Amino acid sequence: EPEVTQTPSHQVTQMGQEVILRCVPISNHLYFYWYRQILGQKVEFLVSFYNNEISEKSEIFDDQFSVERPDGSNFTLKIRSTKLEDSAMYFCASTGQSTGELFFGEGSRLTVL
Amino acid sequence: GESVGLHLPTLSVQEGDNSIINCAYSNSASDYFIWYKQESGKGPQFIIDIRSNMDKRQGQRVTVLLNKTVKHLSLQIAATQPGDSAVYFCAENHSTGFQKLVFGTGTRLLVSP
Repeated sequence: EPEVTQTPSHQVTQMGQEVILRCVPISNHLYFYWYRQILGQKVEFLVSFYNNEISEKSEIFDDQFSVERPDGSNFTLKIRSTKLEDSAMYFCASTGQSTGELFFGEGSRLTVL
Repeated sequence: GESVGLHLPTLSVQEGDNSIINCAYSNSASDYFIWYKQESGKGPQFIIDIRSNMDKRQGQRVTVLLNKTVKHLSLQIAATQPGDSAVYFCAENHSTGFQKLVFGTGTRLLVSP
């Protein structure tokens, strides 16, 4: 069964460092998303991406965040200068159409020290 | 403000019982609702969805009920199994087109053998 894969599964970084989280969405999907979940809290929308551009973003997704689809398979989330409050599980998701089932990866846990 | 919330944080049932997990939403303009299951250390997994033009939808062992009058959503799991133990989230789609989901806080379902 096709799945969304994410790397790394866990990354520990120092405050102020840049982090790149990587995702390989399901191959024929066109819509890509990043969500995050702070420990014990709700899953929160960060950004949606379609046709090589951001379609929507939340208030969380400030200038420190960026996304990129550098090739035909990868979808990345970059945090330029990490803060303690960026510590969370980051989930990538994809779907083949704008509505319908959203497939999530298993997440990348980011710990900022 | 807009919110999606859950009535009970934890639900404990015996194997074989039917489980009902509830969710309230406040945005009457929402037109798409989804239930997700999240097992420990994994990403959210789609269970079932329903659009606002329906009041009931059934899947395999699961049924979602939507009451737009009182803005209430429920997930019914028939013959609950230990493998159903997880956190269940309802989510609401605010946007038209992209999956900018608003998640509830989650209900933990504990199934005892």
